[in-house]
Amino acid sequence: GQQLNQSPQSMFIQEGEDVSMNCTSSSIFNTWLWYKQDPGEGPVLLIALYKAGELTSNGRLTAQFGITRKDSFLNISASIPSDVGIYFCAGQLTGNTPLVFGKGTRLSVIA
Amino acid sequence: DAGVTQSPTHLIKTRGQQVTLRCSPKSGHDTVSWYQQALGQGPQFIFQYYEEEERQRGNFPDRFSGHQFPNYSSELNVNALLLGDSALYLCASTFWGQETQYFGPGTRLLVL
Repeated sequence: GQQLNQSPQSMFIQEGEDVSMNCTSSSIFNTWLWYKQDPGEGPVLLIALYKAGELTSNGRLTAQFGITRKDSFLNISASIPSDVGIYFCAGQLTGNTPLVFGKGTRLSVIA
Repeated sequence: DAGVTQSPTHLIKTRGQQVTLRCSPKSGHDTVSWYQQALGQGPQFIFQYYEEEERQRGNFPDRFSGHQFPNYSSELNVNALLLGDSALYLCASTFWGQETQYFGPGTRLLVL
């Protein structure tokens, strides 16, 4: 099935550093969602973006909906150990259509 | 406010067997979608249920079937299990027409 292109695949960072990851698609989406998944758990919704160009924050997390509607970015500022996990982007065409996911970015934080 | 719940948490089956997974949506949600997540991959859409009918289906064979009950809970059935069906099966719920979907903890299925 279709998957979005997420990069980087994995990253190792020092505690306190900022993190950036992105997600691209060959087709347009009208909604972008960012999820975090811990081992053995389901994805937890972090941020939802509904409009091209939109910039939305949730605490130390900031995400942007790309102007072309084919990409999205997630930034985490001042990382802490509990940020460890896999971050997934998901695109959606309309409210009744399925989510299309990337393969995830695995984040490791070194204390 | 109860979130999405799924049962069982883990399941081990052998090839050729059949399995039923269950999902209760977040309180008030009327739409349930099922996703399969293979190891190291993002979730892949299986199908979506609303008003007890399958509304959309991903690229999965007919061995995968489902049901939604009047209380909005849902079941995923997989027949004639293959080794490749081993995965984390996720249920997500939302209000019909709304974009944001909330996921349950998943059921880990291992087919031997």
